[in-house]
Amino acid sequence: DTAVSQTPKYLVTQMGNDKSIKCEQNLGHDTMYWYKQDSKKFLKIMFSYNNKELIINETVPNRFSPKSPDKAHLNLHINSLELGDSAVYFCASSRGLAGAAAQYFGPGTRLLVL
Amino acid sequence: ELKVEQNPLFLSMQEGKNYTIYCNYSTTSDRLYWYRQDPGKSLESLFVLLSNGAVKQEGRLMASLDTKARLSTLHITAAVHDLSATYFCAVPLGQNFVFGPGTRLSVLP
Repeated sequence: DTAVSQTPKYLVTQMGNDKSIKCEQNLGHDTMYWYKQDSKKFLKIMFSYNNKELIINETVPNRFSPKSPDKAHLNLHINSLELGDSAVYFCASSRGLAGAAAQYFGPGTRLLVL
Repeated sequence: ELKVEQNPLFLSMQEGKNYTIYCNYSTTSDRLYWYRQDPGKSLESLFVLLSNGAVKQEGRLMASLDTKARLSTLHITAAVHDLSATYFCAVPLGQNFVFGPGTRLSVLP
């Protein structure tokens, strides 16, 4: 009965590889998000996605691309991984439009790029 | 550009003591959120403050919002070790959120 789930929980990979992180929410929420948390615990929003409208943080490299097959899923695909991509990536969801309600976070995916 | 600041960034306190964490932000917003993160864990929603003067309480934590001052406080009453965690405030900006840097709280026995 997990509300927001992510897979995998840990991801270790080499520079230059392409990887995906999957996210699913069973809360019936309208908006989903991807966040990056760096080693200093700073949280930065990468994307928000509502009813097929994608809002992109302009600082996110275009190597990162969200893909939403349906309302309950928002996957994150990363091309040509770099060392600086190492971080914890959190998926989240919320009711209504982005910013309108509290977010429910997934458990996180710890990505290490070697 | 919206900036969200928290003060202090690190807080070490004795059990049983009271303390307040401050969150201030640079542009107008009528709502603010508080989250808790335990080490190595995800974020958990604590409070949703939806209007000026809003006050919410849960156990030993009480949060308030002053939209005119662009300030929210998270007050800890009679701290216990279980409250040790990092606390984030977050402000919506359009269709995004901006999080503060977090306040790392350590409650010592």
